[in-house]
Amino acid sequence: GQQVMQIPQYQHVQEGEDFTTYCNSSTTLSNIQWYKQRPGGHPVFLIQLVKSGEVKKQKRLTFQFGEAKKNSSLHITATQTTDVGTYFCATDTDKLIFGTGTRLQVFP
Amino acid sequence: EAGVVQSPRYKIIEKKQPVAFWCNPISGHNTLYWYRQNLGQGPELLIRYENEEAVDDSQLPKDRFSAERLKGVDSTLKIQPAELGDSAVYLCASSLNTAFAGEQYFGPGTRLTVT
Repeated sequence: GQQVMQIPQYQHVQEGEDFTTYCNSSTTLSNIQWYKQRPGGHPVFLIQLVKSGEVKKQKRLTFQFGEAKKNSSLHITATQTTDVGTYFCATDTDKLIFGTGTRLQVFP
Repeated sequence: EAGVVQSPRYKIIEKKQPVAFWCNPISGHNTLYWYRQNLGQGPELLIRYENEEAVDDSQLPKDRFSAERLKGVDSTLKIQPAELGDSAVYLCASSLNTAFAGEQYFGPGTRLTVT
């Protein structure tokens, strides 16, 4: 069945460093969403991408949907301690599924 | 605007006991989702409603889990009987009725511990 894999599983960075998480699928996706979940919290919607090669920015966050619509990335520039949490990609293509998540830890 | 409301926030029960979770979605959101999230994993969809109709319950363990969404607003998710492996956070989410899930708003979740 359809799966989305995220890498890395964990990432520890020094505050001010950049961070990137990748979401990969073996099949073409019709859409991708990104969510952030703080420790002990619930997922919060960040962005949605639907077009091939689409790039969207939110302040220090840059989201990209691959040209083949099989992968997506989330890049954070100059991380801050407030960026700590787990970042999930999700898609509602054949089935509604969430990726495995990337847990980000930022050290001051 | 009020967000998605869930109750209870925490529940501890012994195995073989029944348990029920309640969800009130954002006003006007026709689509409602129940997820289960195990520690360190992403949310796993249990059931999706479009108004009163369950449009995807393929991941719902129907031997012990049941859900309903009467009048297309509030929803309840029930487990009977609960097993140790059911310990998890149960999340409810809602979204506007669109072609695909899109932007979902999640409630705070119910943390279930089965002993």
